[in-house]
Formats: sequence, C-alpha cells, structure tokens
Amino acid sequence: GQQVMQIPQYQHVQEGEDFTTYCNSSTTLSNIQWYKQRPGGHPVFLIQLVKSGEVKKQKRLTFQFGEAKKNSSLHITATQTTDVGTYFCAGWNYGQNFVFGPGTRLSVLP
Amino acid sequence: AAGVIQSPRHLIKEKRETATLKCYPIPRHDTVYWYQQGPGQDPQFLISFYEKMQSDKGSIPDRFSAQQFSDYHSELNMSSLELGDSALYFCASSLFQGFNEQFFGPGTRLTVL
Repeated sequence: GQQVMQIPQYQHVQEGEDFTTYCNSSTTLSNIQWYKQRPGGHPVFLIQLVKSGEVKKQKRLTFQFGEAKKNSSLHITATQTTDVGTYFCAGWNYGQNFVFGPGTRLSVLP
Repeated sequence: AAGVIQSPRHLIKEKRETATLKCYPIPRHDTVYWYQQGPGQDPQFLISFYEKMQSDKGSIPDRFSAQQFSDYHSELNMSSLELGDSALYFCASSLFQGFNEQFFGPGTRLTVL
C-alpha cells in the first residue's frame, strides 16, 4: 500500500534557526497538503500543493512539491516559539486514498 | 466562523462496551472524515462519507461502523471496545471530497478501561 514518510521525526532548534521537514511518498500524489498540530490540539490546514514543482510561501513558511509529485518539503525561516508543534504532510494518491505522514515534531528553544 | 463540532469531548468506557461519537460538519460541507490518533502518532484515516454515502474506507476495524445522516452529521459507532481503542478520534469536514482542505474538529478522547 501507499506509504508516506517524513523526516526527521523530531527536530529541536534554537529560536531564530531555520527548520525543514521532508515528506516522501512511495507513490505519485495528485496533491499534497500540510497540517500543523499544536500539542493538545487538532490538525490545522496550512496549505495545498497540486502542481509538479510548485512552490508556495506563507510569510516565513515555504512549501515545495517535487517534480515527480512524490515528495514535498516545508521550510520555516527564523523559527519562533509559536512554530512549536507537529507538522504533517498528507496526500491523495490517484487511487483516491488519503494518507497522513507520521509527522515531524518541532521544538523551539527560546 | 462555524467549526466542526464533535461530541462528546471525553468519553470513558469499559472493555466490551459500546460507544457512539458524533460529528457535526461545517455548514454546507458535504464530506466527513474520521481519524484515530494514538499518543504520539499521526492521524490514521478510518472512513469518509460524501453526500451521505461511504466514499473511502481506511483502517476501520470491523467492530466500528459509521454513517452520515441527511443533515450531514456523522456518527461513529464502536462496539466490543478494547483497551487499544483508547485514542483521540477526530472528525474533519470538507467541501467536496478529494482535493479540498479538511477542517478538523477538536476531537473526542476515548479512554477504554
């Protein structure tokens, strides 16, 4: 079956440092979505990428969808303590199954 | 803005009991998804409904069933509860299935003793 992996599993950064999480799918995705879940909270939608090679930016966050539509990345510039949480990628494959990655848990030290 | 409503927020049950979780999607959203999230785990997709019909099925145990009603709210019925069913259960809704963002509810924390 389809597998979506994310690395790293955990990341501890000093406030102001950059952070990147990578998402890899075993199958081609029709789209990819990114969600953030704060501790004790529910997943909150961040963005969706659909086109091959697509890059989108949201303030300090940059999202990229790979050319083969099998991988994606989320980069945060100059992390802040408000960035703490788990970042999940999730995607639909062409068989219309929706799968979450295992998430990357980000800790930001002040 | 209206959000996804889930009830109850917390539920404690004994082994072999049954439980019913309810989800009220955002108004005009026609698709509902159910997820199970264990401690430190990613949300595991259970089942989804589009326009009151089951649209996709994930890792939902046979002991669980779900449906979407005419008013688009959904219920997840869980029978013969096991200790391993203890988890956070999220409902999410979206407008049309497939490629739209999912709005998650606050979740129901189920504890099976």
